[in-house]
Amino acid sequence: GQQLNQSPQSMFIQEGEDVSMNCTSSSIFNTWLWYKQDPGEGPVLLIALYKAGELTSNGRLTAQFGITRKDSFLNISASIPSDVGIYFCAGQRAGGTSYGKLTFGQGTILTVHP
Amino acid sequence: EAQVTQNPRYLITVTGKKLTVTCSQNMNHEYMSWYRQDPGLGLRQIYYSMNVEVTDKGDVPEGYKVSRKEKRNFPLILESPSPNQTSLYFCASSLSPRGAHYGYTFGSGTRLTVV
Repeated sequence: GQQLNQSPQSMFIQEGEDVSMNCTSSSIFNTWLWYKQDPGEGPVLLIALYKAGELTSNGRLTAQFGITRKDSFLNISASIPSDVGIYFCAGQRAGGTSYGKLTFGQGTILTVHP
Repeated sequence: EAQVTQNPRYLITVTGKKLTVTCSQNMNHEYMSWYRQDPGLGLRQIYYSMNVEVTDKGDVPEGYKVSRKEKRNFPLILESPSPNQTSLYFCASSLSPRGAHYGYTFGSGTRLTVV
């Protein structure tokens, strides 16, 4: 099945640094989502993007929906230790049964050193 | 508290012994879905349901069954588990089949080991 290519696979950064990760696809998506997963828990929604070109912020997090609708990025500014976790992008197409299908990237493992 | 509840959290079983992982949501959500998470592969969709009695295959449905007899429950059934089904499983729900607009709520996961 269709998968999103998410990069980087892992990041090791110092507290206070900014972080950037992105997802690309060969297919168009109508909605992009960014999730964070803490150890032992399910993913939690961070940001949802609905329109090409849309830029949305949630605190120190900023995400953008690419103009081509085939990519998205997530930035975290001034990282803190609790930002540690796995970040996933996910895309959803529109139309027919595609509404039910959500495709995830492979995840970016973020480690923040105090 | 609004939540998606999966049971059990951990399960070790033997090859071929039928098992069911339960999923229940208390938010009156129409849409429910099952995913498996494996290292380096992210989450892959197994099955989803856009409403009661409506289910559809995701990307990796082989070896799994689901049912949606009532809105709140969406059990995942492994009729004859095999070691390659050892994984971390997540159930998710959303208010509408157009789930992205309302966000998906995930359960805490079921770690299954098949020996």
